[in-house]
Amino acid sequence: AQSVAQPEDQVNVAEGNPLTVKCTYSVSGNPYLFWYVQYPNRGLQFLLKYITGDNLVKGSYGFEAEFNKSQTSFHLKKPSALGSDSALYFCAVRPHSGNTPLVFGKGTRLSVIA
Amino acid sequence: GAGVSQSPSNKVTEKGKDVELRCDPISGHTALYWYRQSLGQGLEFLIYFQGNSAPDKSGLPSDRFSAERTGGSVSTLTIQRTQQEDSAVYLCASSSQGGQGMETQYFGPGTRLLVL
Repeated sequence: AQSVAQPEDQVNVAEGNPLTVKCTYSVSGNPYLFWYVQYPNRGLQFLLKYITGDNLVKGSYGFEAEFNKSQTSFHLKKPSALGSDSALYFCAVRPHSGNTPLVFGKGTRLSVIA
Repeated sequence: GAGVSQSPSNKVTEKGKDVELRCDPISGHTALYWYRQSLGQGLEFLIYFQGNSAPDKSGLPSDRFSAERTGGSVSTLTIQRTQQEDSAVYLCASSSQGGQGMETQYFGPGTRLLVL
């Protein structure tokens, strides 16, 4: 069965500094990988996804993520954090084959400090 | 265009009562998903509808939970005889037909359920 690990419950970063939110996954075969962001009292908003091809995926709000097959990771990154980036971030995975649900990590709370 | 909508946004009920939660997917989306988000937990898959196919109910935690989708559009999640552990945010998502799991799911704002 597929699974996602987000090893950090909380990440703190100073405004203007680069940020990384970590995600590792386990899946049979090739994965589809997603990042979502959740602001307080809101639903999840799609940020980006990896399907195939270029390992570096660019998404909304200046975020990007790099797929690393050997390390089974899909870390979310942004070169310069903004206060408005403070939110809860979820990584999710689904295998290419089969009809299985999207599996989410437990989320990482990002706090950008002014 | 309009996104996924859910109602009510908040629901407070007493233990033992039944509740119905509603989801309106994005127009034209044939796939619809329900998830539960409990405090400190990730999203827990509940049920999945795809077109006219039989739903995937593998995530429903007990037989008190059921869902239906009428006319391939609106969905209702029903929780019978609610328990305090049912308190959570219930999220609905929809996605367009096609792809083999690569399609993006778009989420509604959720219904926050509190069982007293």
